[in-house]
Amino acid sequence: IQLTQSPSSLSASVGDSVTITCRASEGISRYLAWYQQRPGKAPKLLIYSASTLQSGVPSRFSGNGFGTDFTLTISSLQPEDFAIYYCQQLNGYPLTFGGGTTVEIK
Amino acid sequence: QVQLVESGGGVVQPGKSLRLSCAVSGVTFSSYGMHWVRQAPGKGLEWVALIAADGTSLYYLDSVKGRFTISRDKYTKTLYLEMNSLRPDDTAIYYCANQKDGLDHWGQGTLVTVSS
Repeated sequence: IQLTQSPSSLSASVGDSVTITCRASEGISRYLAWYQQRPGKAPKLLIYSASTLQSGVPSRFSGNGFGTDFTLTISSLQPEDFAIYYCQQLNGYPLTFGGGTTVEIK
Repeated sequence: QVQLVESGGGVVQPGKSLRLSCAVSGVTFSSYGMHWVRQAPGKGLEWVALIAADGTSLYYLDSVKGRFTISRDKYTKTLYLEMNSLRPDDTAIYYCANQKDGLDHWGQGTLVTVSS
């Protein structure tokens, strides 16, 4: 199952709201997770089951979607949110990740 | 506090072998599936392998099937990745992670460099 993220990068300012899209090549129900990776660090789980916020993750992060189309929205960007974001499908093997979206400071 | 600590990375020649370890603490090891995920320098994440909580089901990325073997030891709470016939395109940081909902907790990674 291929996952296509868009955009591959975006520039935004602190306080902006941004949305990242992840499209699956076939239906995956709600078996989608989102991760954040800061430079030099391991990925961190943000959202699982398409829309469930992982414990401890700020509520400005939200996820939505079902089947083939999914979104991650970050409302009111904070300085620590500038990072790379990946989606991952857990519906079938091999598990796959999207190509990543870099969120940069404008 | 959940901790996953990888070790065993290093520089190895093409065709040689390496075994990675991931020591797990702060979580009931036998309750979770365990994964290896890798990241080539400057590239995105690539899932490598999964071993089910009870160790009976194994899944692999196609390009590592027959070369890599994932295993786990419930007594020492350690996850392993035995890597044989290594190729230059296996060069990456290798992360271990446990699966509860998504890949919930990750180690800091261990770098494997395959080069002559």
